[in-house]
Amino acid sequence: NAGVTQTPKFRILKIGQSMTLQCTQDMNHNYMYWYRQDPGMGLKLIYYSVGAGITDKGEVPNGYNVSRSTTEDFPLRLELAAPSQTSVYFCASSYYYGYTFGSGTRLTVV
Amino acid sequence: AQSVTQPDIHITVSEGASLELRCNYSYGATPYLFWYVQSPGQGLQLLLKYFSGDTLVQGIKGFEAEFKRSQSSFNLRKPSVHWSDAAEYFCAVGADTGNQFYFGTGTSLTVIP
Repeated sequence: NAGVTQTPKFRILKIGQSMTLQCTQDMNHNYMYWYRQDPGMGLKLIYYSVGAGITDKGEVPNGYNVSRSTTEDFPLRLELAAPSQTSVYFCASSYYYGYTFGSGTRLTVV
Repeated sequence: AQSVTQPDIHITVSEGASLELRCNYSYGATPYLFWYVQSPGQGLQLLLKYFSGDTLVQGIKGFEAEFKRSQSSFNLRKPSVHWSDAAEYFCAVGADTGNQFYFGTGTSLTVIP
């Protein structure tokens, strides 16, 4: 009964480096999402997916990429890290209405 | 445009006192409304949701919220706050498709003994 699992929990990147944030859910949910959370800004949607092979941009997609090859996994890729991508990233999944969130990845770009 | 406003950035209440957190939304269609709670270093946990029907909804941990369409509001309430309720609270609105939800900027709750 793991729910939504995100790895890593913390990461420091140098400007220009790339990395993948992993997200896995074991609830067989079709919908999956990536949000970023900045202080005082709430949560902003980066990308979402309505099922395997289908993804779409959210409110703040620039600088990120996603893929959804399976129902369980929804990785988020940062190709050229920038200081503006310093944030806490949350993955979530849903079946009908209401999310189950992962515990987040705190990313710092220096 | 869809948006959620939580006017109170930070609220401090005494343990045992009542609590009301405000949420106003702007949404073009029938809103689906949610309240989430986030403890420090944790993800968000669903407290309650409103889709239709009775405008007063009950959630977990003794919370309730009332949907008022005329005021475009969905305020969260609790009759008696416990120290463990100290956290960040987020209101969210979404469509019936479940594709995308819009979150408010959150209200931080401090509970003093």
